[in-house]
Amino acid sequence: RKEVEQDPGPFNVPEGATVAFNCTYSNSASQSFFWYRQDCRKEPKLLMSVYSSGNEDGRFTAQLNRASQYISLLIRDSKLSDSATYLCVVNSGGSYIPTFGRGTSLIVHP
Amino acid sequence: GAGVSQSPSNKVTEKGKDVELRCDPISGHTALYWYRQSLGQGLEFLIYFQGNSAPDKSGLPSDRFSAERTGGSVSTLTIQRTQQEDSAVYLCASSYSEGTDTQYFGPGTRLTVL
Repeated sequence: RKEVEQDPGPFNVPEGATVAFNCTYSNSASQSFFWYRQDCRKEPKLLMSVYSSGNEDGRFTAQLNRASQYISLLIRDSKLSDSATYLCVVNSGGSYIPTFGRGTSLIVHP
Repeated sequence: GAGVSQSPSNKVTEKGKDVELRCDPISGHTALYWYRQSLGQGLEFLIYFQGNSAPDKSGLPSDRFSAERTGGSVSTLTIQRTQQEDSAVYLCASSYSEGTDTQYFGPGTRLTVL
């Protein structure tokens, strides 16, 4: 089992739709979790951290489920500009090397 | 404030030549990471620095790859005798400290080996 797994997609949704991605991780000792966004031919940029209590930033909601070892990202009212690849990142704490998922591609169309 | 910068932004070289890629992390960030990303692929970890030390070089693909960091700041990734399979985008990231902190990425160096 890979350390961090994501459905590569693409998720193809119309503007205004709600879409959710999951990311599963294998190391139960993982301590911190992030979602990054990567636009085509650009570097990854932090979208949001994922806290145990869940967190929300505008149209974006991130949640952590430790029991089932996954994190999720929910995007409401999708915009064309949300089209990108969303990377899940997990830090185990015992390792200083964050583990990146392969990313989930989102395409929002008119 | 200034983010992570990398130079050059693009590098085209001939097979067999050596190349040097540079990364300037965010001031005050002690941890620095190098990754590479081939077209349509995920991030591949190469090496990590804490200060000037590299506790983990496990991701370097071969002995043609080396990296150093001086003054706890600038880092250089050197690829000797480049091969076509080295073609990729090389990304540098820094964080305030190692482990659980957020990483901030530079724009990358796109390396093409002909």
